[in-house]
Amino acid sequence: GQQVMQIPQYQHVQEGEDFTTYCNSSTTLSNIQWYKQRPGGHPVFLIQLVKSGEVKKQKRLTFQFGEAKKNSSLHITATQTTDVGTYFCAVYTGNQFYFGTGTSLTVIP
Amino acid sequence: NAGVTQTPKFRVLKTGQSMTLLCAQDMNHEYMYWYRQDPGMGLRLIHYSVGEGTTAKGEVPDGYNVSRLKKQNFLLGLESAAPSQTSVYFCASRDSILQPQHFGDGTRLSIL
Repeated sequence: GQQVMQIPQYQHVQEGEDFTTYCNSSTTLSNIQWYKQRPGGHPVFLIQLVKSGEVKKQKRLTFQFGEAKKNSSLHITATQTTDVGTYFCAVYTGNQFYFGTGTSLTVIP
Repeated sequence: NAGVTQTPKFRVLKTGQSMTLLCAQDMNHEYMYWYRQDPGMGLRLIHYSVGEGTTAKGEVPDGYNVSRLKKQNFLLGLESAAPSQTSVYFCASRDSILQPQHFGDGTRLSIL
């Protein structure tokens, strides 16, 4: 099946610091989605990227899709306590979604 | 706005028992999915359906069966539960290709 590596597994930041999580694939991806899961909650869709080199922003969140469409990143500027949770990337191929292992973000007030 | 509803929310089983998890969506979505989530392993697809009456195997289908007799419902069955099936199970649905998945609140299943 599709392998999607996500790093880091955990990240602890002071409130106000920036945060970045990365997804990498050995194969070219047609698309990538990002989800956020709060502790004890369910994954919630954030965004989808489909174009090479695409950059999308949602307030303090910036999403990028690599030029070769083999990697993607999610960057949060000036983290807040509301950003706490696990961030997952997911790729769609062969009628199935494959999720990365997630990056768990802790924000220290 | 119910969205995706999973029942039950919690369940404890003994090894060898059987049970069915129900997922219901009210968004008229074609595609439905069952995932399991284990610590450090993200979400892994068990089975999925691309429409009423259809089912297909995902990444980790062994020990599970599914049925989609009605478009709005997707059932996940465990015929003979094993401790390795202790997990949080999420159901999701989506409208069409490249549309986002909408997840239910999950079922926390423990097998002793």
